[in-house]
Amino acid sequence: DVKVTQSSRYLVKRTGEKVFLECVQDMDHENMFWYRQDPGLGLRLIYFSYDVKMKEKGDIPEGYSVSREKKERFSLILESASTNQTSMYLCASLGGRRAYEQYFGPGTRLTVT
Amino acid sequence: AQSVSQHNHHVILSEAASLELGCNYSYGGTVNLFWYVQYPGQHLQLLLKYFSGDPLVKGIKGFEAEFIKSKFSFNLRKPSVQWSDTAEYFCAGYGGFQKLVFGTGTRLLVSP
Repeated sequence: DVKVTQSSRYLVKRTGEKVFLECVQDMDHENMFWYRQDPGLGLRLIYFSYDVKMKEKGDIPEGYSVSREKKERFSLILESASTNQTSMYLCASLGGRRAYEQYFGPGTRLTVT
Repeated sequence: AQSVSQHNHHVILSEAASLELGCNYSYGGTVNLFWYVQYPGQHLQLLLKYFSGDPLVKGIKGFEAEFIKSKFSFNLRKPSVQWSDTAEYFCAGYGGFQKLVFGTGTRLLVSP
């Protein structure tokens, strides 16, 4: 079974802090994704990566950056956290060529005060 | 799919009632459609998927969905829901470049 893990289930940070969310997958997948999930808005794609050191902006990249130094790890960075970034953050991975099924981690609920 | 829409935001059913959740997509080339479920406190998991072939797709836990090309729809169905089906359900479509496009979700509450 594919396993996607995220470093924290719950996180509370102050406005202006730099925040790192870590995601690790154990299936040697090429593609990894970061979403945020908000009530009534569904899942919105922040960034994705299709290879080590490669990244692409998703639909809502503003205020975020990412890092992928190793294939199994994909980090989401909030350079200066703001209260409107309070949300559930989901990481996903996907492998193979026509394998469009994504596997999700448990999520990190981030609260910015 | 370039966009996916779910019309029902909240659905409340009694146990043993039949379920149908609507999903419509806008055509954007390759049509690959999915239903994901998120049980309370758990991660998103795949219920079923449609890539090609038989438009009636069966998934886990007794769920099924029908791809109707003429209606751009991929509705999720279950003949008889259980309390344990209480969850949030997301429809998604392939959005190109290995990405998925998600609907806004439907929260289902099944009362015992």
